[in-house]
Amino acid sequence: QQQVKQSPQSLIVQKGGISIINCAYENTAFDYFPWYQQFPGKGPALLIAIRPDVSEKKEGRFTISFNKSAKQFSLHIMDSQPGDSATYFCAAILTGNQFYFGTGTSLTVIP
Amino acid sequence: KAGVTQTPRYLIKTRGQQVTLSCSPISGHRSVSWYQQTPGQGLQFLFEYFSETQRNKGNFPGRFSGRQFSNSRSEMNVSTLELGDSALYLCASSLGDTTSSPLHFGNGTRLTVT
Repeated sequence: QQQVKQSPQSLIVQKGGISIINCAYENTAFDYFPWYQQFPGKGPALLIAIRPDVSEKKEGRFTISFNKSAKQFSLHIMDSQPGDSATYFCAAILTGNQFYFGTGTSLTVIP
Repeated sequence: KAGVTQTPRYLIKTRGQQVTLSCSPISGHRSVSWYQQTPGQGLQFLFEYFSETQRNKGNFPGRFSGRQFSNSRSEMNVSTLELGDSALYLCASSLGDTTSSPLHFGNGTRLTVT
C-alpha cells in the first residue's frame, strides 16, 4: 500500500513555464514533508521541505504548498529551466525517522 | 566533507546467488537507511540502522538483511537472488536524531540478476 501518492508520473513543460507536482497522504501522524530531486546516475538530493503547521514555503524558484485539511502538498517550480529536468520525489516522515516516498515524477523542460 | 559512498556501482549476479552491498556514510552520521528503486515503484524502504541497531524495517522478505558497524558503515545482504531483485539500491545517511534531518544519498549500486 502506497502511503504517499504522487502525480503525475511524467511532466513536460516549456522553458519558463510552471511545473506542478502533487502528492497526497492519509496518515495524519506524518510530521515532515521533504521533496527530493534526482538526476540520472545520481542519488536523490534534498530540494526543499515543509512542516504541516506551515501552508507555504518558498526557496528561490521552488515553492511547496501544503493543505493540511486535504492531506495534500505540491511542489511548484517557477520559470522552469532545462537544468530542472530530473525526477522529483515527495516524501512524508513519521517520528522515528520512518520515510515514505512517492513513486516519482519525471520532469522534462523543453528549451 | 566526503559524501555517501556505495560500492560496488554495478553488480551482475545469477538467480539463487547472494550479494553484499556496502555503504560508507558521511562522517558523523549515525543513521543509515537502504532503499530499492525500480521504475514505477519509486523508492521502497528496506531498513534503517541507527548506532548499530535496526530501528525501522520495511516490507521486504527476510532474504534482505543488513547490519551496521561501530564506525557507522553498513552492509546489505540479499540471499537467494530472484530476477525481481534487479534494481538500483540506494543507501542514505543522516544524523537521524529528528525527522527534519535530511537524507544524504549515495549514487547507488545497480544490481542485475540474470
